[in-house]
Amino acid sequence: AQSVAQPEDQVNVAEGNPLTVKCTYSVSGNPYLFWYVQYPNRGLQFLLKYITGDNLVKGSYGFEAEFNKSQTSFHLKKPSALVSDSALYFCAVRDPSRDDKIIFGKGTRLHILP
Amino acid sequence: AAGVIQSPRHLIKEKRETATLKCYPIPRHDTVYWYQQGPGQDPQFLISFYEKMQSDKGSIPDRFSAQQFSDYHSELNMSSLELGDSALYFCASSLGTSGRAVKTQYFGPGTRLLVL
Repeated sequence: AQSVAQPEDQVNVAEGNPLTVKCTYSVSGNPYLFWYVQYPNRGLQFLLKYITGDNLVKGSYGFEAEFNKSQTSFHLKKPSALVSDSALYFCAVRDPSRDDKIIFGKGTRLHILP
Repeated sequence: AAGVIQSPRHLIKEKRETATLKCYPIPRHDTVYWYQQGPGQDPQFLISFYEKMQSDKGSIPDRFSAQQFSDYHSELNMSSLELGDSALYFCASSLGTSGRAVKTQYFGPGTRLLVL
């Protein structure tokens, strides 16, 4: 069965430092991977996706994610964190051989400290 | 650019009442998904529609039903509401194509339902 794991409930990073939010997945075929961000009292905003091709995917707000097939990981990264990046981040997977629905991870709360 | 619209944004109901949530997808999007996000939880897939037909079904209770109309908007009907139905209900839309093209889902702002 498809699943997504975000091993960290919360990540604290000082402003200006690089940040990483971890995600690992389990699907039977080649996965489609997504990152969404949720700000307080707001909906889910699409950040980036990996479908095929270059393993390093660039998305909105300076975020990027690296697909690593051997480690079944899709970690979200940003070279220099901003306080405004503080939010809840969800990794998600869709198994293209199955159906359309997205399976979300439990979410990681990112705190950027001024 | 136009986004997914959901109404109402907030809804308060009492137990055993009914509620109807509406979702208006991004123009030209033909696929709609419903998700439920409980307090402190990750979003859970409920149901989806493609071209007005149910395309997938997740953890949607039998008390809930949904449909997609000819203009592609969708409504989630919830009956016999329970306290545990209090959650944020998201709608997402995507543009479906034939074959296995990736359909990025774009989410609406959600409807926050509180059942008292």
